[in-house]
Amino acid sequence: QKEVEQDPGPLSVPEGAIVSLNCTYSNSAFQYFMWYRQYSRKGPELLMYTYSSGNKEDGRFTAQVDKSSKYISLFIRDSQPSDSATYLCAMSADSGAGSYQLTFGKGTKLSVIP
Amino acid sequence: GAVVSQHPSRVICKSGTSVKIECRSLDFQATTMFWYRQFPKQSLMLMATSNEGSKATYEQGVEKDKFLINHASLTLSTLTVTSAHPEDSSFYICSADRSSYNEQFFGPGTRLTVL
Repeated sequence: QKEVEQDPGPLSVPEGAIVSLNCTYSNSAFQYFMWYRQYSRKGPELLMYTYSSGNKEDGRFTAQVDKSSKYISLFIRDSQPSDSATYLCAMSADSGAGSYQLTFGKGTKLSVIP
Repeated sequence: GAVVSQHPSRVICKSGTSVKIECRSLDFQATTMFWYRQFPKQSLMLMATSNEGSKATYEQGVEKDKFLINHASLTLSTLTVTSAHPEDSSFYICSADRSSYNEQFFGPGTRLTVL
């Protein structure tokens, strides 16, 4: 079993739809959870950052972490064509050395159709 | 804030040559920088962790003599691909750890093509 599982998609939705993206993980030591957006041939851009369990909202984006189920989600409301990209979940544990290696999911390719 | 740059953005070279890629944190100091490799339609694979002023830590399977990493300052890390071969062609991405916030910010990537 891989440490982080993410459905690669592709996922196509109409403009204005609510998008739900998910990752599951197996390492209970993970405490920091992130979602990155990556456009084609570009570096990943940090969208959401969450520590431990709970919800975090930022504009049209909501990140949820359920550590008991080892499951994280990213919701995108009122999706726009400009949201079309690959979304990568990433997580890390406390290394104790002040620096945190990330473990990434494979990424879900999202297309928002006008 | 939290901008990371990479240079060059794209490089094409002949087999056997060496290529240097620079990664800079423009508006924050990064004690730690990371180098990743990404193949088409694949996720990022960590190659090495670079700490300022010390030797890089390489992931299993990554040849340290082939991928030389130098982290000479808190804002600059370099990756040199030595004696590049066509199988080294890939998208190389760096990230910098803004440690006080435990967040990694990524550069725009460098596409290396070895002929």
